[in-house]
Amino acid sequence: EVLLVEAGGGSVQPGGSLRLSCSASGFTFSDYWMHWVRHAPGKGLVWVSRINGDGNDISYADSVRGRFTISRDNAKSTLYLQMDSLRADDTGVYFCSRGGTSGRNDYWGQGALVTVS
Amino acid sequence: DIQMTQSPPSLSASVGDRVTITCRASQSIEHYLHWYQHKPGNAPKLLIYAASTLHTGVPSRFSASGYGTDFTLTISSLQPEDFATYYCQQTYSRVETFGQGTKVEVK
Repeated sequence: EVLLVEAGGGSVQPGGSLRLSCSASGFTFSDYWMHWVRHAPGKGLVWVSRINGDGNDISYADSVRGRFTISRDNAKSTLYLQMDSLRADDTGVYFCSRGGTSGRNDYWGQGALVTVS
Repeated sequence: DIQMTQSPPSLSASVGDRVTITCRASQSIEHYLHWYQHKPGNAPKLLIYAASTLHTGVPSRFSASGYGTDFTLTISSLQPEDFATYYCQQTYSRVETFGQGTKVEVK
């Protein structure tokens, strides 16, 4: 069974930093792209970032580029999101998801809440 | 970035109704379009991938079509568990984007 479990959420002041992690199990982690997606209160889903299986192909949404860093440790089957220079509009639940064929996000974690205020 | 525009933003429907949601891309995305269902407090769920392929375990009342810039999600007979927000997502470009969502509410 594919399982994704996020951790590291919390409350932080504007300008602060936070590091999210996503522990994966039930599949060969290094074979898959991985993604971060945010859901802000009362708003829609926003794609944040993605990373390929080797960790050498990375992209970001314009709103986080230069402030957030995605990475992965395939030996630990863990995905990370380092969030720096946090702003109030970064607030939301952050989901990690697995990238399947055609780029679909086929499995999702339950999310980690980040509050910037 | 590729913009994804969903319509309508919300709709009211009854159990048993046929519901159609559309999604338009600002440029061709070929078939790199996926549909998700999201309920408050839960993780999003993949319904349809590659524009028209039903994800494993998704009921057959869900269907979708389209290619290029115009896409449609249809629920043939709305069930109580289908009241949720639905999103399209393009994965054609390096910077992926979601539509703004369509909230399906009880009429």
